[in-house]
Amino acid sequence: TQLLEQSPQFLSIQEGENLTVYCNSSSVFSSLQWYRQEPGEGPVLLVTVVTGGEVKKLKRLTFQFGDARKDSSLHITAAQPGDTGLYLCAGGLFSGTYKYIFGTGTRLKVLA
Amino acid sequence: EAQVTQNPRYLITVTGKKLTVTCSQNMNHEYMSWYRQDPGLGLRQIYYSMNVEVTDKGDVPEGYKVSRKEKRNFPLILESPSPNQTSLYFCASSPGTVNSPLHFGNGTRLTVT
Repeated sequence: TQLLEQSPQFLSIQEGENLTVYCNSSSVFSSLQWYRQEPGEGPVLLVTVVTGGEVKKLKRLTFQFGDARKDSSLHITAAQPGDTGLYLCAGGLFSGTYKYIFGTGTRLKVLA
Repeated sequence: EAQVTQNPRYLITVTGKKLTVTCSQNMNHEYMSWYRQDPGLGLRQIYYSMNVEVTDKGDVPEGYKVSRKEKRNFPLILESPSPNQTSLYFCASSPGTVNSPLHFGNGTRLTVT
């Protein structure tokens, strides 16, 4: 069974601080996606990274895919209360199969 | 508006009473999937479908059934619900191409007493 471990599980920080969330696996993925989920809603895609070593920026969010395509990180600069939510990484396995493996999630709370 | 619609949003039932959670998408997506979300366990796949009349088991299929008679609909059936199926359920769809993102419904919170 493929596993995606996310850390930390919970994070409570003050507005303006920086943070990094990690997503690690022993499996090689075709792509890595990051989703954000708010209470009462389904996860919504933030970004997809495909190439080993790829870095993508979305305003204050920076996503990186590991060189070996086994891990990824999400860095948020100057966090704001609106960043509060559950962040999920998902590894895509599309060679000989079609499957998404989800991490256990990081619950972020940004205090004003 | 492109969306995945699940119904009902909330459901409380008793052990053994058959129930169906509906899922419909209006994006002409090939791939549809059901997940359950439990604290500390993340999203776990129950069943998925690559196309009409093609369904397959995910990681936690026991106690669930699905069907895909039409492209847009993918209902989840619990023939005899048990308390360990109390969970938050999500339906998702995607075009079915490599690296395409999943589009999720807003979830169904099921409680089985």
